[in-house]
Amino acid sequence: GENVEQHPSTLSVQEGDSAVIKCTYSDSASNYFPWYKQELGKGPQLIIDIRSNVGEKKDQRIAVTLNKTAKHFSLHITETQPEDSAVYFCAASIWGKLIFGQGTELSVKP
Amino acid sequence: DGGITQSPKYLFRKEGQNVTLSCEQNLNHDAMYWYRQDPGQGLRLIYYSQIVNDFQKGDIAEGYSVSREKKESFPLTVTSAQKNPTAFYLCASSIPRGSDTQYFGPGTRLTVL
Repeated sequence: GENVEQHPSTLSVQEGDSAVIKCTYSDSASNYFPWYKQELGKGPQLIIDIRSNVGEKKDQRIAVTLNKTAKHFSLHITETQPEDSAVYFCAASIWGKLIFGQGTELSVKP
Repeated sequence: DGGITQSPKYLFRKEGQNVTLSCEQNLNHDAMYWYRQDPGQGLRLIYYSQIVNDFQKGDIAEGYSVSREKKESFPLTVTSAQKNPTAFYLCASSIPRGSDTQYFGPGTRLTVL
């Protein structure tokens, strides 16, 4: 079945720097890749997603890139702010189900 | 959290007792899902339902049961057969067949004493 690996597990950056989180997936049939942000004690919130017919998508300070050949996708956050501190999850969709990565705890230091 | 509600936010039960977690959505979504989240781990799928009166097991269904009698509601029962039930439980919903986007509720933290 589908397997999603996410790296790094923790990431610490200075305010204003960029942060990059990477995920790889195993099943080439996966065609939808969302990213979620989860704050402590809350449910995950969708922040950006990308479908397999697109290579890159941007929304203000957040961008996602997809390399179907290599089966990996990445989340890029520019000009990080303290409120970006949270746990971020990538996921891959296959046959209507989402398979999640292990999560990355991002800490933005002021 | 959108139009998905989960109650209660915190739940305590004694070992050996069954407990039912509530999930309601007013988004008119057809599909609903239950996930379990443990510290330092990603979300693992327990059960999902694409349509009323139908549901399928996910990756970790043992010790859990669900029902889907109404489109808006997808309650999860954690039975005494679940060996390690203490966890954060998340409900989600989506419109299948064309959109895989899932929207999550606020979660219920279950602690079994």
